[in-house]
This record gives sequence, structure tokens and C-alpha cells, in this order.
Amino acid sequence: QSVLTQPPSVSGAPGQRVTISCTGSSSNIGAGYGVNWYQQLPGTAPKVLIHANNNRPSGVPDRFSASKSGTSASLAITGLQAEDEADYYCQSYDTSRMVFGGGTKLTVL
Amino acid sequence: QVQLVESGGGVVQPGRSLRLSCAAAGFTFSNYAMHWVRQAPGRGLEWVALILYDGSNKYYADSVKGRFTISRDNSKNTLYLQMNSLRAEDTAVYYCVRDFVVLWGQGTLVTVSS
Repeated sequence: QSVLTQPPSVSGAPGQRVTISCTGSSSNIGAGYGVNWYQQLPGTAPKVLIHANNNRPSGVPDRFSASKSGTSASLAITGLQAEDEADYYCQSYDTSRMVFGGGTKLTVL
Repeated sequence: QVQLVESGGGVVQPGRSLRLSCAAAGFTFSNYAMHWVRQAPGRGLEWVALILYDGSNKYYADSVKGRFTISRDNSKNTLYLQMNSLRAEDTAVYYCVRDFVVLWGQGTLVTVSS
């Protein structure tokens, strides 16, 4: 049972927009801790898509954006492409530990 | 180049020990808290341990408390994870992760099997 809650799967057609939600509580996201988002392709390490709620590292396309409100956060992907098919994880903090969502599998139809 | 490189994984029998290392490069290692995070085959990400920038405080997941020890040598820019009394359920890819502006290593696989 993950501390943060994500939908197990989402899907969309090429060119469409999809969102992935991440629900926490008052002890993690709601306590003001930042939220990071990761993309993980099979057999590879997680790649940082978004850090500190809504900041994209250099090299990450602006098709990826994120927001945070209260005890929840969300990742939006616009102009969906086949190479976006992957697992996506949200991550925040709860006192002295990292907490993660269970992951969302994005399928590009 | 800013990077983290893990090593030390392998196959080990239940009850035995293993030490993982994580070499940091391209940034001031001693300025950052560091984590270990693991991922069992086909599963999600699980936080394992945290050590503050100067090693003054350490925190562990309940699943590894009393068996695993996180440490660091800032003079060598290296993070460690000493894993004792290993169990089958510890089988996973272990990642070292820089805190704050997060940075992940490529991971090292630990397989606990007889």
C-alpha cells in the first residue's frame, strides 16, 4: 500500500492530453513538501520529469507539466507521443522519508 | 559530469550480508542528504534509508530497520548501504538518490536466493 495514491493506468491516443493524479495527505503533500514526478521505461532507472512541484529539468519537453494543490498533485502530458508510453511515479516527503505513489502505467493507443 | 554510480550488487544467500556503494561525481557531495530507494521486480519504488549531509542523522524504513545501515564518506564522495540478515523480500534494484534537486543513479541489482 503506497503512501501516495495514483491511478494504476491511464491511456490516450497520439496527440491527446492525459493527466495523472497523485493524492496524499496533510503529513506529506499537504504539509508543504514538494512533489517530484518520474518517468520509468522498462529496465531503466527513473528519470526526473518534474522537480519541486512544477520545474522541468533541462531536456524535458514542455509537453510535460505539473501542478499541486492542497494534498494532491497532478502531471499533465500534452501532444501524447508513442515514446511517452511508460510508468510514471509521483514522490514527496513525509517527515524524514521519501514517499511514493504506486505508479501509473501510461498506454498510448 | 553530474552522476551517481552504484556498485556491489549480486546474488547472495538468505541470512548473509552485502555492502552497496554509490560514487558521486560532478557536484559537492558533502552538501546533500542522500537516500537509498529500492524497486522489487515488477513492483513500485520503496524508500529504504536517508542520511543527512554530514552523517549526523540516519533514518530507515521499518522493513529494514535493525538490518541495514546507511553511511557515507564525504572525503571519498561515496555513500554506502550495509545490508545484513538479507531476506528473499530484499531482492530488488537498489538506487542511490541525491536529495533536494533529485538525482538518481542507474541502480544495482541485489538478488537474495539460496
